[in-house]
Amino acid sequence: KNQVEQSPQSLIILEGKNCTLQCNYTVSPFSNLRWYKQDTGRGPVSLTIMTFSENTKSNGRYTATLDADTKQSSLHITASQLSDSASYICVVSAQNGANNLFFGTGTRLTVIP
Amino acid sequence: DAGVIQSPRHEVTEMGQEVTLRCKPISGHNSLFWYRQTMMRGLELLIYFNNNVPIDDSGMPEDRFSAKMPNASFSTLKIQPSEPRDSAVYFCASSLVAAGIGQPQHFGDGTRLSIL
Repeated sequence: KNQVEQSPQSLIILEGKNCTLQCNYTVSPFSNLRWYKQDTGRGPVSLTIMTFSENTKSNGRYTATLDADTKQSSLHITASQLSDSASYICVVSAQNGANNLFFGTGTRLTVIP
Repeated sequence: DAGVIQSPRHEVTEMGQEVTLRCKPISGHNSLFWYRQTMMRGLELLIYFNNNVPIDDSGMPEDRFSAKMPNASFSTLKIQPSEPRDSAVYFCASSLVAAGIGQPQHFGDGTRLSIL
């Protein structure tokens, strides 16, 4: 069964600290994995996309990793800011079908001063 | 550039009433998606269109739900009759070509629906 699981479900950190969010998937055949950031009351916004051959990709203070062998991805946030408070959703795309997308339920991150 | 525009932003109505949610995708995008988001289940794909044609509606929960895309710049999601368990945030998203091949989906800010 194709599934995407994220951990932790929620996380509270102090401003300026680093954190890592996890995404494990069983989607097959794998096409790509995308991380979205969803601010409260807003729609999700794409942060980064990882394809099979990519191990690491950065977008400012956000760094995503992908281990296609273990089917795990992580999103690392460096020097967190209050504006990083949001839900982070992992979405995995399968190759069998143009729009075969599988969503995690997200990690709710709260950054406190 | 205008993003995906959804209306209304909030809708509160009594069970049994008809609810119509509206979406204007980003100009030039040819794929449109309707999602439902709840705390328990996260984002769930309800239906998507390619070039105004419904491709997969397997996520539509019941016959009470219907979606149309009469042209490239407008889509509706209708619930009739509405029930309290339909309460959720409904998102519309659009993308260039098929999202599964690497194109990001651009989401609207959603319609928060409450059925009393």
